Amino acid sequence: AQKVTQAQTEISVVEKEDVTLDCVYETRDTTYYLFWYKQPPSGELVFLIRRNSFDEQNEISGRYSWNFQKSTSSFNFTITASQVVDSAVYFCALRETNFGNEKLTFGTGTRLTIIP
Amino acid sequence: KAGVTQTPRYLIKTRGQQVTLSCSPISGHRSVSWYQQTPGQGLQFLFEYFSETQRNKGNFPGRFSGRQFSNSRSEMNVSTLELGDSALYLCASSPRLAGGYNEQFFGPGTRLTVL
Repeated sequence: AQKVTQAQTEISVVEKEDVTLDCVYETRDTTYYLFWYKQPPSGELVFLIRRNSFDEQNEISGRYSWNFQKSTSSFNFTITASQVVDSAVYFCALRETNFGNEKLTFGTGTRLTIIP
Repeated sequence: KAGVTQTPRYLIKTRGQQVTLSCSPISGHRSVSWYQQTPGQGLQFLFEYFSETQRNKGNFPGRFSGRQFSNSRSEMNVSTLELGDSALYLCASSPRLAGGYNEQFFGPGTRLTVL
């Protein structure tokens, strides 16, 4: 069975500090996708990144970066120079790659608060 | 291109009633998945519909059901509402094409409150 663990329930940092959100996953599949979503107070899930299990290359997008390590089954998310607009709940998710499976397994989320 | 739309956005019901939520996918998308989000259980997969057929189902009681119409719009129904059904219900659509990755796009959700 698939499982995603986000051990950090809540994190608060002062604006401009860097913050890392942890995600550990479990799956028996050899191929899978990993995701990060942002959920602002409005409730809509905003897609941030998708990673294929074959692609362990780290990625940077502006102030956001992701570190995927298959050896430790982790897919961590770092925000550099945090801003108040980054305040939200962040979810890590896992999905099998077999065609026809649209099911996402989500972690419990990390509530990030950026203090001005 | 219009995004995924969900109606209504907010709903208040009482225990024992039933409720129907609607999801209109992105034009051209043929798959609709539903998720329930509660503070206690987090985001959980309810079911997925494709070509008017349920293709995958999560671990929810039979009170939760759904359907999909020929235009890919989907509805989910919850009968005999319980207090624990209070949640944000999110739907996601995807093109569900063979041979490649299918991106899912989420709607804004319907917030259901059961009193």
